[in-house]
Amino acid sequence: GQNIDQPTEMTATEGAIVQINCTYQTSGFNGLFWYQQHAGEAPTFLSYNVLDGLEEKGRFSSFLSRSKGYSYLLLKELQMKDSASYLCAVRDYRDDKIIFGKGTRLHILP
Amino acid sequence: EPEVTQTPSHQVTQMGQEVILRCVPISNHLYFYWYRQILGQKVEFLVSFYNNEISEKSEIFDDQFSVERPDGSNFTLKIRSTKLEDSAMYFCASSKTSGRAAYNEQFFGPGTRLTVL
Repeated sequence: GQNIDQPTEMTATEGAIVQINCTYQTSGFNGLFWYQQHAGEAPTFLSYNVLDGLEEKGRFSSFLSRSKGYSYLLLKELQMKDSASYLCAVRDYRDDKIIFGKGTRLHILP
Repeated sequence: EPEVTQTPSHQVTQMGQEVILRCVPISNHLYFYWYRQILGQKVEFLVSFYNNEISEKSEIFDDQFSVERPDGSNFTLKIRSTKLEDSAMYFCASSKTSGRAAYNEQFFGPGTRLTVL
């Protein structure tokens, strides 16, 4: 089976940097996704990691360590619109589905 | 930019009734998915569909659920006899490649909020 853990809520200040951690257990890892979800809306794709290391895309970066079963999403220069839930999701190589974590609700303070 | 569309945005039904949720995936995508999200809970995989057949389904996707691609553009989820616990947001997603490919970004539709009374 698969298990994904991430903090339930985090708070950060506009303009600052925040790191959202995700740990996972899966029997056959084949990629980790980060999605952003605003309240009442659909998840939108942010990043994908399948190899160890850091993937940078503008203000957002995602890191993966497969040996540790660990990933983080780093958000820089936070803006109020970044207030959302951030979903860590893992794909098992045997399956044609993505398993989502419960998400981390990020609150941005002015 | 192409996007996944879903109709209706909100569906209210009585317990025991049948509902059909509709999705139009991105036109050159080959793989289609349904997910659901009960209010305040995580996104849960229901089913994946490729080449006119189900390729994977979760334990949630029991005999009350079915999917169909009735024509070249629509992808539907049918719930035969709705239960109170089926109340959730249902998201359709599509991708160019399958989950088994090295990379597949799944594009999500805006969702249909199903309320079962």
